[in-house]
Amino acid sequence: DAGVTQSPTHLIKTRGQQVTLRCSPKSGHDTVSWYQQALGQGPQFIFQYYEEEERQRGNFPDRFSGHQFPNYSSELNVNALLLGDSALYLCASSLRLIGEEKLFFGSGTQLSVL
Amino acid sequence: ILNVEQSPQSLHVQEGDSTNFTCSFPSSNFYALHWYRWETAKSPEALFVMTLNGDEKKKGRISATLNTKEGYSYLYIKGSQPEDSATYLCASPRRAAGNKLTFGGGTRVLVKP
Repeated sequence: DAGVTQSPTHLIKTRGQQVTLRCSPKSGHDTVSWYQQALGQGPQFIFQYYEEEERQRGNFPDRFSGHQFPNYSSELNVNALLLGDSALYLCASSLRLIGEEKLFFGSGTQLSVL
Repeated sequence: ILNVEQSPQSLHVQEGDSTNFTCSFPSSNFYALHWYRWETAKSPEALFVMTLNGDEKKKGRISATLNTKEGYSYLYIKGSQPEDSATYLCASPRRAAGNKLTFGGGTRVLVKP
């Protein structure tokens, strides 16, 4: 049973560029959430997808956008990259939108913006 | 408390000693409290999801308690081992916010042999 997989594992971009991160949820899961984890902080919620729609969104600018596909996999897109976007981006999957459901996390994509 | 907060930020424990640390969260509109363990170079892994006031959960040498009225949870590690070295994260979803989790900053535990 494959867990949550994310690609790529590492990425280096320059300011102003655009980036796409990918996530495949755990088998049987239908909900994907994206988190940004900056050094020394806890993960910050970016947004959540369920049934191919964005259901919840955190305090992130519109430069951050996403998509969920019919097979439940998801993409996170960041446009006009800033130095401050350098962080570890975690994808988490769960079954349904219920708060008692534990999240299963991927290993993350480490994004460096130069 | 408006946000999820954890203390201390880091902790050094001698192998064999027991330790505990705290997660504080908004007590209003409480829905659930999650604990995750995050070992270096691995993915965060769920330890517990707790929903009832007074609930106590245990997994091996790790246990957690929950007080929803005052808004805190304790995580205990009994007889710490080097493999317990990790960052421990707590998170709380708000009622009617689905499972959008607000995480604390984590407690980094280092168990010294």
